[in-house]
Amino acid sequence: KNEVEQSPQNLTAQEGEFITINCSYSVGISALHWLQQHPGGGIVSLFMLSSGKKKHGRLIATINIQEKHSSLHITASHPRDSAVYICAVFQGGSEKLVFGKGTKLTVNP
Amino acid sequence: NAGVTQTPKFRVLKTGQSMTLLCAQDMNHEYMYWYRQDPGMGLRLIHYSVGEGTTAKGEVPDGYNVSRLKKQNFLLGLESAAPSQTSVYFCASSYVAGVQETQYFGPGTRLLVL
Repeated sequence: KNEVEQSPQNLTAQEGEFITINCSYSVGISALHWLQQHPGGGIVSLFMLSSGKKKHGRLIATINIQEKHSSLHITASHPRDSAVYICAVFQGGSEKLVFGKGTKLTVNP
Repeated sequence: NAGVTQTPKFRVLKTGQSMTLLCAQDMNHEYMYWYRQDPGMGLRLIHYSVGEGTTAKGEVPDGYNVSRLKKQNFLLGLESAAPSQTSVYFCASSYVAGVQETQYFGPGTRLLVL
C-alpha cells in the first residue's frame, strides 16, 4: 500500500465547476505539499501546510492531521487549471518528500 | 534568476553507455534532490544532498551516482545505462531553514535507454 494515496486518479470537469482532489496518508507527517504539474511537464509548488487551511486565489487546501487527510479545492475551474495535481508529505522529522501518484484534472470549456 | 535548470532536456542512450545529468540552481539553496518520474508512479527520490560535498541515498539509488562539488550544482551519473532507467528525471532544490521547505523543481530531463 502506498503511503500517500490520492483520489480520484482522473477527473474531468466543465468550466466553472467546483473541484475537489483528496489525499490520504498512512504515516505521521510534519507537513504536506500540494504541487501542480503542467501538461508540458514543469512542476510548481502550490501549498505547503501542516494544519488548518490555506487559500491562494481560486485554490484552497485543507488538512486534517487527526484523520490523515488533505483536500485541494478549485473554485470556478478554468481550462488552464488542467494539470496533474500531486500530494506529497514530509514524514515526521524527515527532509525527504513522499509523493502520491497524482490526480489528472481536465477542465473542458 | 533562472531558478533550477537541467541539462540536457532530452537524451537517447544505448544500453551500457554512460552519461551525466547536470542540475544547477542560482538561489543559494542548500538542499538539492534528484527524482525520477515513471508512468503510473509518483516521483521517487534517487539521491539528495544537504550541502556542498555531501550526498545521501534516497528510495531508488541503485545504478546512479551523484556529486555535489559546488553548492549550486548537483550531478547525477549513470555509469552503465539500462532500459529500466528510461524515465523523466527532475532536479529540485530548497533553502535550508528547517527541513520542511518549498522545493523548486527544474524542467526535467527525458531519458530514453534503448
